[in-house]
Amino acid sequence: DTEVTQTPKHLVMGMTNKKSLKCEQHMGHRAMYWYKQKAKKPPELMFVYSYEKLSINESVPSRFSPECPNSSLLNLHLHALQPEDSALYLCASSPLRALGGVSGEQYFGPGTRLTVT
Amino acid sequence: AQSVSQHNHHVILSEAASLELGCNYSYGGTVNLFWYVQYPGQHLQLLLKYFSGDPLVKGIKGFEAEFIKSKFSFNLRKPSVQWSDTAEYFCAVTYGGSQGNLIFGKGTKLSVKP
Repeated sequence: DTEVTQTPKHLVMGMTNKKSLKCEQHMGHRAMYWYKQKAKKPPELMFVYSYEKLSINESVPSRFSPECPNSSLLNLHLHALQPEDSALYLCASSPLRALGGVSGEQYFGPGTRLTVT
Repeated sequence: AQSVSQHNHHVILSEAASLELGCNYSYGGTVNLFWYVQYPGQHLQLLLKYFSGDPLVKGIKGFEAEFIKSKFSFNLRKPSVQWSDTAEYFCAVTYGGSQGNLIFGKGTKLSVKP
């Protein structure tokens, strides 16, 4: 299985809602990522998990809350979002190198298209 | 700050033309280099990668890239493009000691006319 799956594909939420995005991979990768991608722009890194521990938070507002329940799952909890948070949210995973460290070779899911109204 | 530059915002070619997309990265020691492709309506896919060794790297679908350390470049090439190569191409870099977080260039949109 060489897939990263993400649910839901589309999400519309109001500014007072609480919702969650889910990501799953069964490639045995121990690094997982959340990215935000605006139209016609490259992905912007939000969070990095390594061995299920948060290792990087790129100064993301607290209305985004990541969670890594186990090595295959990654969640992104959303609360009190703003319209400018509307974007494609991408999950990715990466194998670790034999000598340690992360390879950077990332496999991306199809994303969740989020619209905040 | 570490950064990646892609020279062309939009490239338009006819089928069978040769392709070269430029990518330069800022100095930061050891690097791993990648090209990702995003076909219309599809997710990002890894096209090719360079970690070490032979600086000429071959990827999927007939693409190749050459790492020139002295020029901090990793240009993507294809001898003969097809209409199906129409997509957005992103160059990306990870720097040694990082958590593998990719630094992306702004992307180059390739449009191939049939």
